[in-house]
Amino acid sequence: EAGVTQSPTHLIKTRGQQATLRCSPISGHTSVYWYQQALGLGLQFLLWYDEGEERNRGNFPPRFSGRQFPNYSSELNVNALELEDSALYLCASSLAGTSGSSYNEQFFGPGTRLTVL
Amino acid sequence: AQSVAQPEDQVNVAEGNPLTVKCTYSVSGNPYLFWYVQYPNRGLQFLLKYITGDNLVKGSYGFEAEFNKSQTSFHLKKPSALVSDSALYFCAVRDMRDKIIFGKGTRLHILP
Repeated sequence: EAGVTQSPTHLIKTRGQQATLRCSPISGHTSVYWYQQALGLGLQFLLWYDEGEERNRGNFPPRFSGRQFPNYSSELNVNALELEDSALYLCASSLAGTSGSSYNEQFFGPGTRLTVL
Repeated sequence: AQSVAQPEDQVNVAEGNPLTVKCTYSVSGNPYLFWYVQYPNRGLQFLLKYITGDNLVKGSYGFEAEFNKSQTSFHLKKPSALVSDSALYFCAVRDMRDKIIFGKGTRLHILP
């Protein structure tokens, strides 16, 4: 069974540009999560999508946005890139869970390393 | 404010000795608690979770964790450490409003 895949592996952008990161979940999983893993800060929750809807988001500015497609794959967009956006961006998927009872474990992809110069 | 604390950045344990990686949390309501592990050059992997029921939960690779509601802790344990257990361990909590919080991680070094 194929795991969670992410593309690209590495992405280099300059300040002010936009970055688009992509994620394909495990077959049968309808929930997709995005996290930022910056050095020394652990994992910071960014966004949660389920059945094409944004279900929750972390404490990030609106320039971090995304969407989930009908095939449950997802895209994370970061606009107006800043130097501090440089980090590993992880995508995870899980089986569906009703809001308020989503206790299914997440399966993580290898990540996209974003470098902002 | 909701939070997860992993008070130790690094834990060193001799191979064969028991290990404990600590995690405490602060959330409203009943939490869902998770442990994940990140091996070098590999993605994060799920180890175990506590949802309800027995306070002692068993997971992958011989790991277990004990949920202690009064101390709001969910420490990860293993009776006998292996060198291959050396990795970065993350505790995570999900509250009833689906806020997901990860700890900053604890690097576990198992010394041969």
